[in-house]
Amino acid sequence: DAKTTQPNSMESNEEEPVHLPCNHSTISGTDYIHWYRQLPSQGPEYVIHGLTSNVNNRMASLAIAEDRKSSTLILHRATLRDAAVYYCILVPLISSGSARQLTFGSGTQLTVLP
Amino acid sequence: DTGVSQNPRHKITKRGQNVTFRCDPISEHNRLYWYRQTLGQGPEFLTYFQNEAQLEKSRLLSDRFSAERPKGSFSTLEIQRTEQGDSAMYLCASGTDNQPQHFGDGTRLSIL
Repeated sequence: DAKTTQPNSMESNEEEPVHLPCNHSTISGTDYIHWYRQLPSQGPEYVIHGLTSNVNNRMASLAIAEDRKSSTLILHRATLRDAAVYYCILVPLISSGSARQLTFGSGTQLTVLP
Repeated sequence: DTGVSQNPRHKITKRGQNVTFRCDPISEHNRLYWYRQTLGQGPEFLTYFQNEAQLEKSRLLSDRFSAERPKGSFSTLEIQRTEQGDSAMYLCASGTDNQPQHFGDGTRLSIL
């Protein structure tokens, strides 16, 4: 499985933007970049995913480098409820029947300061 | 969409006992996954079902672990003869082909 590298921890002030980086230099052409987050005492929650183009949804934006070897998850205005562990995961496009399980690293622990 | 439901939320048992956890996936999801998460680590994949067929089980941690998904609906994960090292959070996720997975909030297992 292709590997991702993320900082162990980051801090942000409330209501300011947060940029969470992820390096994935061994990404293959059919790997999607997924982001999940895990709040304390909860299961992981899907945030966003993309292949080549930048993506936006109600939770966040995903900026993907032109060479696809890195990406950045952007939270436009951090709130205290965004404090969580954020995981960047490469997910291959596969045929029906293949497991397509998620391979989690250690993620980035985001602390939001009031 | 009622989400993925896992029961119980917490289980405390003595070493050597058998335990069983239940997962109710989102109803239209054909894929079901089990993961295990220990403190400070990301979740680790255990096994996968597509409908009622268990298509990947090589990552189950030992032959004490088994999972079923009768009729392709809910799933159970059983651990026989529990050991101290089995203490962890057990997570279930469901999804459809090439779509993101939806996770439950897990069952936390503590072995005394």
